[in-house]
Amino acid sequence: SQQGEEDPQALSIQEGENATMNCSYKTSINNLQWYRQNSGRGLVHLILIRSNEREKHSGRLRVTLDTSKKSSSLLITASRAADTASYFCATNTGNQFYFGTGTSLTVIP
Amino acid sequence: ETGVTQTPRHLVMGMTNKKSLKCEQHLGHNAMYWYKQSAKKPLELMFVYNFKEQTENNSVPSRFSPECPNSSHLFLHLHTLQPEDSALYLCASSQDIFGQGARDTIYFGEGSWLTVV
Repeated sequence: SQQGEEDPQALSIQEGENATMNCSYKTSINNLQWYRQNSGRGLVHLILIRSNEREKHSGRLRVTLDTSKKSSSLLITASRAADTASYFCATNTGNQFYFGTGTSLTVIP
Repeated sequence: ETGVTQTPRHLVMGMTNKKSLKCEQHLGHNAMYWYKQSAKKPLELMFVYNFKEQTENNSVPSRFSPECPNSSHLFLHLHTLQPEDSALYLCASSQDIFGQGARDTIYFGEGSWLTVV
């Protein structure tokens, strides 16, 4: 399957700590994107990293991409209670988007 | 507000009912999608429309019937559903189909929670 697989499935941290989530995939991609989903809501786009990029930043978000290992990581620094949500990676092969099952992040105030 | 609006947000229907989910995007996008999200499963792509033409049907049972009258509107008609069809149904849109271009982001609606009783 091409699906991105996030790891860990669930993560619980204290407010102020950093949260790291990983995504692995199986075939070549054009880009990889991270989305956030609050409970019972739609997915919101966070950040996109193209296959020729290795690292990208957006506010408190840092994404890395290692195409040789077919993996990506999302780092949220200085977490806040409002960051509590599920986070999904989506791999774009150019003719399909594949989503994983997500990482459920809980930030404890 | 992502520019993709779904109605209703919640729907409870019996197995013999006929209902419809509606999606409208205000982003001027050319591609629209229906996804199904069940607990503990990856998002499942159901249907894809590009310039209001269906380009993909991911082996979806015929009890789900999509309709795309124009590039801004997408419907999912439901009839004789099963309890296992209960899920969150997400509509999404993108400028180009599956991000084949510089504008690669998919924008999702808030979803319609469907419960089949």
